[in-house]
Amino acid sequence: DTAVSQTPKYLVTQMGNDKSIKCEQNLGHDTMYWYKQDSKKFLKIMFSYNNKELIINETVPNRFSPKSPDKAHLNLHINSLELGDSAVYFCASSQGTIAGELFFGEGSRLTVL
Amino acid sequence: GENVEQHPSTLSVQEGDSAVIKCTYSDSASNYFPWYKQELGKRPQLIIDIRSNVGEKKDQRIAVTLNKTAKHFSLHITETQPEDSAVYFCAASYGTGGSYIPTFGRGTSLIVHP
Repeated sequence: DTAVSQTPKYLVTQMGNDKSIKCEQNLGHDTMYWYKQDSKKFLKIMFSYNNKELIINETVPNRFSPKSPDKAHLNLHINSLELGDSAVYFCASSQGTIAGELFFGEGSRLTVL
Repeated sequence: GENVEQHPSTLSVQEGDSAVIKCTYSDSASNYFPWYKQELGKRPQLIIDIRSNVGEKKDQRIAVTLNKTAKHFSLHITETQPEDSAVYFCAASYGTGGSYIPTFGRGTSLIVHP
């Protein structure tokens, strides 16, 4: 059973398009995250949700909009894609009320042409 | 917010040597320090972690040390093997909004030469 799953795994699109990445976890965790990993491998937090409530919104363009319909899902929608958005996006989850392990999804590689 | 510095960015060793990666953090409220290993094309996975009430933890060939006063922690890998080649990330977690948020260092690319 996949603990944290995200789709799609690969996404190639043109500048200016809108795209979404979906994430689901079946671990019963209450906190979910989106991280962006650029070409230099830096893992930068974008958003964090605890029980469907936004708790972290780092300096991210407002073209990026997360949505958490329930605590098992955290989706990421990106409007008006730009070249600099090309990266691997990782979803993760944890039992956030206790400082502990992050469980990552496999990542979604976004390429903007 | 938290700021985590990690060094070196690249580390090249011969098989059987030891490898040490060092991190510093800025927020004295951080109390959980995990290390993740990311193999090429894969997701990051936890390899070892340490909490602020402990100074050292060991798991077979890997160990982590924490100096809370100096706000730094280190990963030690002994008897390195080619399969240890990967990118290693340290992180420091602080609590906010009822959850703990990990901030990652920039990663160390470890290359173990056979």
